[in-house]
Amino acid sequence: EAGVTQSPTHLIKTRGQQATLRCSPISGHTSVYWYQQALGLGLQFLLWYDEGEERNRGNFPPRFSGRQFPNYSSELNVNALELEDSALYLCASSLGFSTKNIQYFGAGTRLSVL
Amino acid sequence: GENVEQHPSTLSVQEGDSAVIKCTYSDSASNYFPWYKQELGKGPQLIIDIRSNVGEKKDQRIAVTLNKTAKHFSLHITETQPEDSAVYFCAAPVDTGANSKLTFGKGITLSVRP
Repeated sequence: EAGVTQSPTHLIKTRGQQATLRCSPISGHTSVYWYQQALGLGLQFLLWYDEGEERNRGNFPPRFSGRQFPNYSSELNVNALELEDSALYLCASSLGFSTKNIQYFGAGTRLSVL
Repeated sequence: GENVEQHPSTLSVQEGDSAVIKCTYSDSASNYFPWYKQELGKGPQLIIDIRSNVGEKKDQRIAVTLNKTAKHFSLHITETQPEDSAVYFCAAPVDTGANSKLTFGKGITLSVRP
């Protein structure tokens, strides 16, 4: 069974540009979570989607947005990129939206903003 | 608050020794406590979790203990091996409503010296 897949693996952008990151959850999982992992800051919660709806949002500015498609895959968009957006962006999926459902992570997209 | 804190931030042990990593949380309503392991270049992977209705759970060389009164839980690794070297994250749910989310600690880097 395929795990959580993320694309692209690496992404290089310049300040002010927009970045789009993609995530395909494990088959049967309806919840998708996005995290930012910057050096020394651990996993910072960004967004959580379930059944196409945004369930919760972390303390990030509105230029971080996303959506979940009918097939449960998800997209994270970061507009007006800033240098400090450089980080590893991790996607996770789970069955349903209970926090007791195990979250399975992808390998991440490394975003570098120059 | 939404704090989940890990102590210490780095830990170095000799192969064969035991390692203990402690995590404290602030939300007394939290009821699910997972531990994730992240190896270099990979996404975090769940290694063990514990629910609030038990005080200890074991899986081979790994165990987790929970003290709800003190609001902390610990990861215990016995007979450490070089492949245990990784970053370990604890997590706990906050805002325990329908849209509850997991909050992760900043991670601890465990180094096992051969």
